[in-house]
Amino acid sequence: EAQVTQNPRYLITVTGKKLTVTCSQNMNHEYMSWYRQDPGLGLRQIYYSMNVEVTDKGDVPEGYKVSRKEKRNFPLILESPSPNQTSLYFCASTPLGISTDTQYFGPGTRLTVL
Amino acid sequence: LAKTTQPISMDSYEGQEVNITCSHNNIATNDYITWYQQFPSQGPRFIIQGYKTKVTNEVASLFIPADRKSSTLSLPRVSLSDTAVYYCLVGDTRNNQGGKLIFGQGTELSVKP
Repeated sequence: EAQVTQNPRYLITVTGKKLTVTCSQNMNHEYMSWYRQDPGLGLRQIYYSMNVEVTDKGDVPEGYKVSRKEKRNFPLILESPSPNQTSLYFCASTPLGISTDTQYFGPGTRLTVL
Repeated sequence: LAKTTQPISMDSYEGQEVNITCSHNNIATNDYITWYQQFPSQGPRFIIQGYKTKVTNEVASLFIPADRKSSTLSLPRVSLSDTAVYYCLVGDTRNNQGGKLIFGQGTELSVKP
């Protein structure tokens, strides 16, 4: 089944403790992206990647890192989480090219930073 | 990059047609307009995408005027299950010059019996 998976789905942590949220897609998509969703602010793009070893900042990249060593994986790293990074995070992927660039979203990761 | 603006919320009744408009005054030549639907605790789901004029699929229609500074998602004969948040997205992931995507803040549609 074509899908985007994220782990963990729920995470409660404390300020300053490094964490990684994994994202994996099995559709051989070139483009992957991370979003955060906060009440009243909609979806905001954190980072995106056009292909392996190619990443770029979205609208709210501060406090986050990403890497794209393999096509299928796009982990989101919080080196020193802070309470303002408490949010619902979504990973998405899409194929590039002339076909529709529909994004397929993962199920979300709810992060709480105390 | 194009900033998008949508109404925060809309109410409707079952069986009615619902039109949600998104404004994107600074849309770029290569940008496409995509609409997503999101239910609580789920990731957004693709509804429809277009570049200009009108696009229709089994779920919705998308109307885009010639200047492309706005777009309207039309949902025919809504049902209770269409209650969700609808997002307008403008951007272009198709070339190495693009990649950054901007979502609107979303329109919360409430369909009543």
